[in-house]
Amino acid sequence: QKEVEQNSGPLSVPEGAIASLNCTYSDRVSQSFFWYRQYSGKSPELIMSIYSNGDKEDGRFTAQLNKASQYVSLLIRDSQPSDSATYLCAVTSGGNTPLVFGKGTRLSVIA
Amino acid sequence: DGGITQSPKYLFRKEGQNVTLSCEQNLNHDAMYWYRQDPGQGLRLIYYSQIVNDFQKGDIAEGYSVSREKKESFPLTVTSAQKNPTAFYLCASSSDMDPFWPQHFGDGTRLSIL
Repeated sequence: QKEVEQNSGPLSVPEGAIASLNCTYSDRVSQSFFWYRQYSGKSPELIMSIYSNGDKEDGRFTAQLNKASQYVSLLIRDSQPSDSATYLCAVTSGGNTPLVFGKGTRLSVIA
Repeated sequence: DGGITQSPKYLFRKEGQNVTLSCEQNLNHDAMYWYRQDPGQGLRLIYYSQIVNDFQKGDIAEGYSVSREKKESFPLTVTSAQKNPTAFYLCASSSDMDPFWPQHFGDGTRLSIL
């Protein structure tokens, strides 16, 4: 059974701080890793994808992947109250195979 | 505007009734997926289709059925055999236009029992 684990939170950070969200996965053949943001009552929105070991930066977001440790993380710099949402980690073995989702981490950015 | 359209936004099912959730995409994506989300939970895969006229069961297919007669359409029927259908249903699609096939979601349908 392929599993993706996330701390459910809530993770509370002050405005302007760095939020660090973590995810581990069980399937060693996983190839593609995604972070989705989901606001309450809304559908998930893709915010980051990463496929190679190391860091990938996009604006205030940095995704980090360590395939040896089966670990992927998302850093949000200069956190804003509008970043308050649930962040879902998703993993796939590649191509058009379905994603396996974690249960999400709820982030609360305090103004 | 290209995107994934789910309808209706809200749906109520009576006991013993089958209901169908619509999912249409104009992105020319080959693959389409149906997920179910329960409160405080992640997404669980119901069915997926990688190509027209073909689909595979996901982790929780019991009580659901799908069809893929057209590339742009992937309707989900929640049958009376699904005893706990109340959930948020999400449709997604993806293609090899991005080599890693990121999935994008529609706005979802909330299904409740009357």
